[in-house]
Amino acid sequence: QVQLVQSGAEVKKPGASVKVSCKASGYTFSTYYLHWVRQAPGQGLEWMGIINPSGGSASYAQKFQGRVTMTRDTSTSIVYMELNSLRSEDTAVYYCARGGDQYGAGPKDYWGQGTLVTVSS
Amino acid sequence: QSVLTQPPSASGTPGQRVTISCSGGSSDIGNNYVYWYQQLPGTAPKLLIYRSNQRPSGVPDRFSGSKSGTSASLAISGLRSEDGAHYYCATWDDSLSSPDWVFGGGTKLTVL
Repeated sequence: QVQLVQSGAEVKKPGASVKVSCKASGYTFSTYYLHWVRQAPGQGLEWMGIINPSGGSASYAQKFQGRVTMTRDTSTSIVYMELNSLRSEDTAVYYCARGGDQYGAGPKDYWGQGTLVTVSS
Repeated sequence: QSVLTQPPSASGTPGQRVTISCSGGSSDIGNNYVYWYQQLPGTAPKLLIYRSNQRPSGVPDRFSGSKSGTSASLAISGLRSEDGAHYYCATWDDSLSSPDWVFGGGTKLTVL
């Protein structure tokens, strides 16, 4: 069955970086785009970007450009999201979510369990 | 502030039909498909509707989506207690040089 399993919770200091992983299984990794979405405590959903696991190209939300990098490792079927220059407002649950087999589909029916990133001095 | 506008709350009694609206503009809803997600507390969002009116397998037909111009709606018929959750609309925003996927602010549905 399709699964997206994310890495565990992280606690970081302001100014640091965090790298969250999302391991895909149960399907052909290179076929489907992967999105990253985050949710601050008590807040709504916020899209961060999308990566094509096949070629590795990524597109980032305007808000995060210059601060986020999405990469993938096809040998392990893992997608990574790295966010730099962390500040307290980056405290959130970060989700990976499978998209479609073309760029135009949004996050669809398979989501990771979420990774809590806490930024605190 | 979200590009897509949803009412912050909605409510209904069991068995009722409720509708949640999502208002946008020509560069987002007006030009793209709309998705709807349900999120229960402490869980990941669940896709309810894609391509404005398509249901993934396993989603009950009590849930339906529609789009007209720059607005979209999610309708839930035969309301059940387990439908109490947050609901989000989403679509692409083409107004920038690189499209962003944008979410509405969310609607908290209370089943009375």
